[in-house]
Amino acid sequence: DADVTQTPRNRITKTGKRIMLECSQTKGHDRMYWYRQDPGLGLRLIYYSFDVKDINKGEISDGYSVSRQAQAKFSLSLESAIPNQTALYFCATSATGGSTDTQYFGPGTRLTVL
Amino acid sequence: GESVGLHLPTLSVQEGDNSIINCAYSNSASDYFIWYKQESGKGPQFIIDIRSNMDKRQGQRVTVLLNKTVKHLSLQIAATQPGDSAVYFCAENNKGGNSGYALNFGKGTSLLVTP
Repeated sequence: DADVTQTPRNRITKTGKRIMLECSQTKGHDRMYWYRQDPGLGLRLIYYSFDVKDINKGEISDGYSVSRQAQAKFSLSLESAIPNQTALYFCATSATGGSTDTQYFGPGTRLTVL
Repeated sequence: GESVGLHLPTLSVQEGDNSIINCAYSNSASDYFIWYKQESGKGPQFIIDIRSNMDKRQGQRVTVLLNKTVKHLSLQIAATQPGDSAVYFCAENNKGGNSGYALNFGKGTSLLVTP
């Protein structure tokens, strides 16, 4: 979905390096999410934010941190990357809507940690 | 813990046939379900959703069926086309969990459409 963009699209880094993945959206949504995808495991939630002042841990937040700089921007950081953080990372957004919370995904960032 | 799972990891169908992708869920508190399609190299794309107060919803060539009695969800694709080849995920809103309305995803079913 072109309304949700992620940078970079691909990144190769070394163990111990700090990495930041960026997500921007033009959908005007207040909710944003970061997921990682591993083969055979589907998508797992890392962090989510319901507005600029709200940050919440997801299922697998250890080793990650996030920053919600503005309503349209949500970045994911790996403070000290390790090989098992090699994965596809997806940002998603949704509008406030109670249980009808359809999420729209960005194109993903493929991260490889050597 | 609660989980969303899929019966078949891969499904191969002939072009023109109908496809049925199944999903079992275990969180009885979930009241909203979504099907996503993910093509190679792309993010998941919304296909269709259904609320728990419905048992069927139709879109263009797709139908979602919800059976709350047995906690089962299915996606039916009519007249499957080569462009339908992708991985399909079901997801439920994680009500009762610790992540608000964030979605809980199944592991995915790979649909391969053969000529």
